[in-house]
Amino acid sequence: KAGVTQTPRYLIKTRGQQVTLSCSPISGHRSVSWYQQTPGQGLQFLFEYFSETQRNKGNFPGRFSGRQFSNSRSEMNVSTLELGDSALYLCASSLVKFGLTGEKYTFGSGTRLTVV
Amino acid sequence: AQTVTQSQPEMSVQEAETVTLSCTYDTSENNYYLFWYKQPPSRQMILVIRQEAYKQQNATENRFSVNFQKAAKSFSLKISDSQLGDTAMYFCAFRGDSGAGSYQLTFGKGTKLSVIP
Repeated sequence: KAGVTQTPRYLIKTRGQQVTLSCSPISGHRSVSWYQQTPGQGLQFLFEYFSETQRNKGNFPGRFSGRQFSNSRSEMNVSTLELGDSALYLCASSLVKFGLTGEKYTFGSGTRLTVV
Repeated sequence: AQTVTQSQPEMSVQEAETVTLSCTYDTSENNYYLFWYKQPPSRQMILVIRQEAYKQQNATENRFSVNFQKAAKSFSLKISDSQLGDTAMYFCAFRGDSGAGSYQLTFGKGTKLSVIP
């Protein structure tokens, strides 16, 4: 069974640019969550998507956005990049039963974004 | 809002010995899940063990076990017979179960565990 796939693995961008990261969940998993990991702030929740709808959002500025496609694959976008956006971005997928996100999360290996 | 605290930024243990990682949390919810995740240098977060708050019995997975004290809001991880492959960052995480549909994980800051040969 394939795991959660995140692409690209590494990314270097210039301040002010925008970036799009991709996450393909485990087959059958319809919930995709995104987390930002930095040395200073640790792991912070960005947002969760289910059935192409954002159901939950963390405390991040509007420059951070995402979407989910009908095949459950998700993308997150960061516009007008700042140096502080340099981080490891992790996505996690989970089963959904009766509309409730399951309690088992499988993470991808993340995308390491460096903003210069 | 829930908070998760890991008070040990770094720990080390001799190979084959036992080590315990601490975690405390704060929540007003009665039903929830607690997790320990391992993050090796490969960066992927790997689930080590999971505990449902409504279960009094402590979860066990091979060499890994937890000591779940609901009243004290404590959730420690014990690793027995430590192996070199256990070297990693370990994160304690909380997930509520309010029935709202969408849930997020709240993580502690992590404990860096080094297993010494």
